[in-house]
Amino acid sequence: NAGVTQTPKFRVLKTGQSMTLLCAQDMNHEYMYWYRQDPGMGLRLIHYSVGEGTTAKGEVPDGYNVSRLKKQNFLLGLESAAPSQTSVYFCASSYVSAIPRTGEAFFGQGTRLTVV
Amino acid sequence: DAKTTQPPSMDCAEGRAANLPCNHSTISGNEYVYWYRQIHSQGPQYIIHGLKNNETNEMASLIITEDRKSSTLILPHATLRDTAVYYCIVSSPLYTGANSKLTFGKGITLSVRP
Repeated sequence: NAGVTQTPKFRVLKTGQSMTLLCAQDMNHEYMYWYRQDPGMGLRLIHYSVGEGTTAKGEVPDGYNVSRLKKQNFLLGLESAAPSQTSVYFCASSYVSAIPRTGEAFFGQGTRLTVV
Repeated sequence: DAKTTQPPSMDCAEGRAANLPCNHSTISGNEYVYWYRQIHSQGPQYIIHGLKNNETNEMASLIITEDRKSSTLILPHATLRDTAVYYCIVSSPLYTGANSKLTFGKGITLSVRP
């Protein structure tokens, strides 16, 4: 099992460019999440999905779009990048189960994005 | 989601127990307490979670007060590798639909000294 894999790991964008961050999980998880983390801050939820074909907004969704066309993949898109979107982006996934032990979420290693 | 309050930082000596406090006075009946940690710039790592009973696993113990308004994460024998930011999170269980998500605060920075 690879767990949660994020692609790419690093990227530099110019203001106004677009890009897509890919998150892939091989654990057959229902839930997937995109977070951003800025220096000295905790993680803030951007968007999340509770199943294939469904998405929902988190705390800071503006400027981002997401898609969950396949259960194992959750894509985060930036249509017109801005310097304020310079951040580290983390993807996570979790089970849906009635067993409390499976309240665990698994995180990827992050994508470091710089918008200049 | 209920909010949590953690001190910004603490330290402990290597080999000693690290007791990390968390207040969650507005927790509701079906909300769990989760603890995650983030080492350097890596992705957060799950440690433990509980509802009202004390919990223990291979990483840590979680002590939740009887009124559930506060909890303590205990690392029994801290090592240098335990230096990290520790997040206390209160949330509905991750398996109950769209309201089930983890909201991270700033956490507490634990520094383990030699």
